[in-house]
Formats: sequence, C-alpha cells, structure tokens
Amino acid sequence: GDSVTQMEGPVTLSEEAFLTINCTYTATGYPSLFWYVQYPGEGLQLLLKATKADDKGSNKGFEATYRKETTSFHLEKGSVQVSDSAVYFCALSDPMDSNYQLIWGAGTKLIIKP
Amino acid sequence: DAGVIQSPRHEVTEMGQEVTLRCKPISGHDYLFWYRQTMMRGLELLIYFNNNVPIDDSGMPEDRFSAKMPNASFSTLKIQPSEPRDSAVYFCASSFYGYGYTFGSGTRLTVV
Repeated sequence: GDSVTQMEGPVTLSEEAFLTINCTYTATGYPSLFWYVQYPGEGLQLLLKATKADDKGSNKGFEATYRKETTSFHLEKGSVQVSDSAVYFCALSDPMDSNYQLIWGAGTKLIIKP
Repeated sequence: DAGVIQSPRHEVTEMGQEVTLRCKPISGHDYLFWYRQTMMRGLELLIYFNNNVPIDDSGMPEDRFSAKMPNASFSTLKIQPSEPRDSAVYFCASSFYGYGYTFGSGTRLTVV
C-alpha cells in the first residue's frame, strides 16, 4: 500500500536559518501531495499542496516541489521564524489506492530558537 | 465559513462513563473523518464517512467505540464505557473529494 516517510525530529534551528524537512512517498497511482502544520494545542492546518509532477506548492514562505522521479516532496523555507515552531506532517491522497483517504507521515517537530 | 466545529474542546470523565464527541463539518463537504492523536501512536484514522455513509471503520479500536452521521451537518463519536487508555485528542476533519482536509480544533479527552 501507499506510504509516506518523513525525517525524524525534532529539528532544532536558529531564527533565520534555512529549513528543509524531507518527505518521500510510495504510491500505486498518481497521488496529490500535502504538507500540514499543527501548532501547539491546535488542529492540523493545510500548509500547501501539489497535485501533479513538477508542481510547486507555496504558502507563508514555505515551498515544496512534487518530484515524481525521486518520489519526494521536501518542505523548504529560506528563513525561519520562532513562530514557525510546530509539527509538520507530509501526506498523500491516492484515489487509486486509498479512496481519498490521506496517508500520513509520522510528523516532524520543528523548534526554532531566537 | 466557520470551519469544522467540534465540541466539547475538553472533556474529563471517569472510567466507565459514556463520552460523546460532536462534529459539524463544513457545508458542502462530502467526506468526514474521525482521527485520534496520541504521543505514543501519532495520528490514527478511526473511521470515515462519504455522503453520511460509513466507508471504513477498520481503525475503530474496539466495540466500545461507535460513530454516526445522521445527516450531512452532524456526526458523533461515542465511547462506552470509557477507559483511561482512551485519553487522547480526537479530531474531526471534512473534505470535498479528498482534496485537502479541514480539521477541527479537536477534543482533548481525559479519562481518569
């Protein structure tokens, strides 16, 4: 079945550092890919998404490019802020395999120090 | 739109009591999902509905858990009887055709 693998956390960075959180996937069909963010005490929020190969999703300074050749969807941000501290989840939706369920990565906790 | 609305936000109950969690999805969304999140097990899908019909309940941990969706604007997750190991944050999410879920703020359940 489909699966998503994220880098383990926590990831600790200083403010203004460059961020990469790795995400790779396996899928039967042609999935859509998502990044969700969960701030402390809150539900998950959609951060960005990409629905086909080479698409780039972007939001709030975060970007991720759908790479079919490497089955990856790495999350990047050029300069992180303390307010970016949260847990980040990579996920995929594959209508052929999961009938629109989201398949989740384990989540990566990001800690930004001032 | 007010988003996905869950109630209550916090629930503390004694072991053996019945607990009912409530969810109002976004109007027009045809999928509704119930998740449980714990530190040990992460995010677990319990059950999901499509057009008010339960599609997959294989994630429901045992018969003590049940979920209903009597109409397009309301769903409940019930635990009877509750146990301490049920303590978790329970999320409801809705979507249209699965393209990006919208989550509620969650219900933090503590069973003592």
